[in-house]
Amino acid sequence: EVQLLESGGGLVQPGGSLRLSCAASGFTFSSYAMNWVRQAPGKGLEWVSSVTDSGDSTYYADSVKGRFTLSRDNSKNTVYLQMNSLRAEDTAVYYCAKAASGYYYFDYWGQGSLVTVSS
Amino acid sequence: EIVLTQSPATLSLSPGERATLSCRASQSVSSYLAWYRQKPGQAPRLVIYEASNRATGIPARFSGSGSGTDFTLTISSLEPEDFAVYYCQQRSNWPLTFGGGTKVEIK
Repeated sequence: EVQLLESGGGLVQPGGSLRLSCAASGFTFSSYAMNWVRQAPGKGLEWVSSVTDSGDSTYYADSVKGRFTLSRDNSKNTVYLQMNSLRAEDTAVYYCAKAASGYYYFDYWGQGSLVTVSS
Repeated sequence: EIVLTQSPATLSLSPGERATLSCRASQSVSSYLAWYRQKPGQAPRLVIYEASNRATGIPARFSGSGSGTDFTLTISSLEPEDFAVYYCQQRSNWPLTFGGGTKVEIK
């Protein structure tokens, strides 16, 4: 059974930093791209970032480029989203999502981790 | 950036009725489009990928069609669990983008 378990969310002040982790199990982690998608309270879905299966390439939404860094450790079956210079508009539930085989669609999702940026 | 526009914003229907949801892209995405269903308080679930392929475990009442810029998700007969918000998503170009969502509510 595929499981994605996010951790690291919480309350942070504007300008602060936070690192989200997503521990994966139930599939061959090193064979799949991994992604983060966020959802602000009461709003729709927004893609944040993706990393290829090997970790060689990463992609970012313009809204987070230069502030967020996505990485993965295939030996630990874990992806990390380092979030710096956080803003109020980054407040959202952050979902870790596995890419479907060969495609950048999201076939499995974690339960989500709430990040609140507020003073 | 490819903008996906979903319509209508809200669809009010009764169980057993047919639902037709639309997603229009600002430029061609070929068939590189997916649909997700999100129930309140839950993570989204993949329903359709590559415009017309049902994801694993998705029942046959769900079907997808379209290519280029115009796509449709059809639910042939609404079950109680289908009352939710549906999003489309394109993978044709970076950045990946989602539509704003269509809420299917009970009439």
